[in-house]
Amino acid sequence: SQQGEEDPQALSIQEGENATMNCSYKTSINNLQWYRQNSGRGLVHLILIRSNEREKHSGRLRVTLDTSKKSSSLLITASRAADTASYFCATAPMNYGGATNKLIFGTGTLLAVQP
Amino acid sequence: KAGVTQTPRYLIKTRGQQVTLSCSPISGHRSVSWYQQTPGQGLQFLFEYFSETQRNKGNFPGRFSGRQFSNSRSEMNVSTLELGDSALYLCASRRQGRDTEAFFGQGTRLTVV
Repeated sequence: SQQGEEDPQALSIQEGENATMNCSYKTSINNLQWYRQNSGRGLVHLILIRSNEREKHSGRLRVTLDTSKKSSSLLITASRAADTASYFCATAPMNYGGATNKLIFGTGTLLAVQP
Repeated sequence: KAGVTQTPRYLIKTRGQQVTLSCSPISGHRSVSWYQQTPGQGLQFLFEYFSETQRNKGNFPGRFSGRQFSNSRSEMNVSTLELGDSALYLCASRRQGRDTEAFFGQGTRLTVV
């Protein structure tokens, strides 16, 4: 399977603490994206990092990418109860045969932020 | 700007029946992809359409098919439903370009009984 893996599978923290999630993938990529999903609903895009970037920030989010290790991490600082959700990494594989918008998702991390 | 709209939101079907799900992308987006989400397999890519052409297909049996219309709206069809087809089916649309984000609809929850 091409599917990426995330760890931890589940994470429980207190409000105000930081949350770190890790993602590993298998193929060469154009970019890596992080999405959030609340209770089995649609996914919401959080941040995109290109294959030639190493770190990116957006508000309380910080993403790193190490293409040599095929891994990425998402850090959420000063977490809030509203951050409780499932978080997925998704890779856009490099497609030598032509254009594609296919995304390969990781297994997800379930984050619970206790008030 | 309206988001991605999927209909219906919930569906219950019997084994052996067929089902059609609909997706209206964000205005101006010509790329539409479909994903299946189950507790066991996670999020799996089904297929992708761009300008009415299937550009990529995931590893699913031929019972799963789709199409895209000239207005970029897309439908996916599952024939001869099996219990294992019960899942959340998600549609996503994107602008053209290599490094663009996907916008997802709320999904269609299909239950096969």
